[in-house]
Amino acid sequence: GDSVTQTEGQVALSEEDFLTIHCNYSASGYPALFWYVQYPGEGPQFLFRASRDKEKGSSRGFEATYDKGTTSFHLRKASVQESDSAVYYCALGPLMNYNQGKLIFGQGTKLSIKP
Amino acid sequence: DAGVTQTPRHEVAEKGQTIILKCEPVSGHNDLFWYRQTKIQGLELLSYFRSKSLMEDGGAFKDRFKAEMLNSSFSTLKIQPTEPKDSAVYLCASRDRGPGNTLYFGEGSRLIVV
Repeated sequence: GDSVTQTEGQVALSEEDFLTIHCNYSASGYPALFWYVQYPGEGPQFLFRASRDKEKGSSRGFEATYDKGTTSFHLRKASVQESDSAVYYCALGPLMNYNQGKLIFGQGTKLSIKP
Repeated sequence: DAGVTQTPRHEVAEKGQTIILKCEPVSGHNDLFWYRQTKIQGLELLSYFRSKSLMEDGGAFKDRFKAEMLNSSFSTLKIQPTEPKDSAVYLCASRDRGPGNTLYFGEGSRLIVV
């Protein structure tokens, strides 16, 4: 079945460091790809989405580019802040009728930023 | 607008008890999801409803987990009987039928089974 793999379980950085969280997917069709962020005590929140090859999604300084060739959607940010500390989830969903169907989430990556 | 509301926020149960978790989706949303969240397994889909019809029932959870949508604005997740391995955060999410696939999550119900 379809799946999402996040390589890093935890990432620890200092403020102003560059961030990369790796996300690779496996899907039988052509999925839409998402990033969600979860702060302590809250549910996950939608960050952004990309629906086609080479499309870049972005929000709040975070960005990721849909790469069908490498089946990846890596999350990047040029300069992280302490307030970015959270758990980040990569997810995939059906593209056709993409407002239907379930989202499949990766394992999540806990990001900790030292001031 | 009110977001997704889940109750209770915290629950402690003894092994073998029946637990009912509740969810009120965002008003007007047609789709409702129940996910279980643990550190080891991450987010696992339990159930998915579209317009109150059950579209998907997580295969591994069928025997003791039952989700229902009593009406378009209220859903329950019953766990019967509970086991210690059910200790987790249970998240409810809803979505409308407009463009995009954005799920809106509640804050979750943390269940501890002793």
